[in-house]
Amino acid sequence: GAVVSQHPSRVICKSGTSVKIECRSLDFQATTMFWYRQFPKKSLMLMATSNEGSKATYEQGVEKDKFLINHASLTLSTLTVTSAHPEDSSFYICSARVGSGRSSTDTQYFGPGTRLTVL
Amino acid sequence: SQQGEEDPQALSIQEGENATMNCSYKTSINNLQWYRQNSGRGLVHLILIRSNEREKHSGRLRVTLDTSKKSSSLLITASRAADTASYFCAFRAGGGNKLTFGTGTQLKVEL
Repeated sequence: GAVVSQHPSRVICKSGTSVKIECRSLDFQATTMFWYRQFPKKSLMLMATSNEGSKATYEQGVEKDKFLINHASLTLSTLTVTSAHPEDSSFYICSARVGSGRSSTDTQYFGPGTRLTVL
Repeated sequence: SQQGEEDPQALSIQEGENATMNCSYKTSINNLQWYRQNSGRGLVHLILIRSNEREKHSGRLRVTLDTSKKSSSLLITASRAADTASYFCAFRAGGGNKLTFGTGTQLKVEL
């Protein structure tokens, strides 16, 4: 089946630094990738939709300049948390969609997540 | 909020028992999906049920969908300790591209 990887799986950084998280579709091409944020014992909240070759679409309340998304190829999307603060500590999960997006049954495959801790 | 609501929030059962979790939503949907998440891990797709389907089976999983009540249920039969995880329903509201998740049910299956 389709595999999505994330790197790193876990990162600890100091407040004020920037952290880049990579999301790769390993055996398929994904024109669309999604970035989610999840707090402990909570549900996933969509942050942004990343389309290859174009600007990401951010959800309401998500700061574009804070969470920079780049989708430069059909197999790679990156999320950069800029000037990270302790409140940015969270579990970040990406997913990649197989299919053109025109079918409502297109399946999304999820990465294993990245645990970010900002000290 | 367009987020789906799930209940119970937490469920603890003995191995061999059945586990039922429910999901309610507010908008029109084309299909509803269920995912499983082990602690601190990514999501695994379990099953998808279309809006014109009422029931679907996959192994020990049984999903029902009642579009008139805007609700779905996931039944896990003959549960095992390995079924311990969080379970989320998810749907695309109004036929859009975005997948909206329910609040989740934390299932614990004890030996």
